[in-house]
Amino acid sequence: DTAVSQTPKYLVTQMGNDKSIKCEQNLGHDTMYWYKQDSKKFLKIMFSYNNKELIINETVPNRFSPKSPDKAHLNLHINSLELGDSAVYFCASSLTWATEAFFGQGTRLTVV
Amino acid sequence: ELKVEQNPLFLSMQEGKNYTIYCNYSTTSDRLYWYRQDPGKSLESLFVLLSNGAVKQEGRLMASLDTKARLSTLHITAAVHDLSATYFCAVEGGSNYKLTFGKGTLLTVNP
Repeated sequence: DTAVSQTPKYLVTQMGNDKSIKCEQNLGHDTMYWYKQDSKKFLKIMFSYNNKELIINETVPNRFSPKSPDKAHLNLHINSLELGDSAVYFCASSLTWATEAFFGQGTRLTVV
Repeated sequence: ELKVEQNPLFLSMQEGKNYTIYCNYSTTSDRLYWYRQDPGKSLESLFVLLSNGAVKQEGRLMASLDTKARLSTLHITAAVHDLSATYFCAVEGGSNYKLTFGKGTLLTVNP
C-alpha cells in the first residue's frame, strides 16, 4: 500500500483552466503539506495542515487553495492556471509537527 | 528567514572515491534531514539528525550535525553508481517548524 498517494501523476492543461490535485495518506499522520518543485529542482513549502487546521500558508497566489476534508486528505485546487504554475507538486505527511516528512510521488503539472 | 545552502550543487565522481556534501544554515535549528531524489521520482528520507553531534550511517552514506557551526555533512564512502541521485538537506526552523530545503546536490557516480 502506498503511504502518501497523489492523483493525478501527470496533468497537462491550458492556461486559464481550474484543476485539482488530490492527496491521501494512510499513515495515520496528523500533519500534511504541499510543496512545489520548480524546473531547477528547488523545493518550497506552500501549505501545511495539522489536524485539518491550516498552520503554514506561504506567499502563494490566492489562486491556490488547499482543502483538508479530514486528517488523511489534503487537496490542492488551482484557479486560472498560468504558465508559471508548471512544476512538480509534492504532497507529504508527518506524524505531527516537527517530525520526519514522507513524500508522495509528485504531480507533474504542465500548463500550455 | 532561514536560509539553507548546500555545496557543491553538482558533483561528478568516480566509483570507489570518497566525497562530502555540505549543508550550512543561517539560524538556530536542532533538526536536520537528508533526502534523496532519483530523476522523476519522489523524495526518500535518508537521515534525521536531531541533536548536536548526531551521526548516522547507512551503507556508504554517513551524515553528521554540528548545531553550533550550523553545519551538516553527508559523507560518501567508496561511491558506487547506484548512489547517483540528487541529495537535499532540509532544516527545520521558525515558530511553525517549517522545513526549508537546500537547492540539492546532483551526484553522478561514473564507472
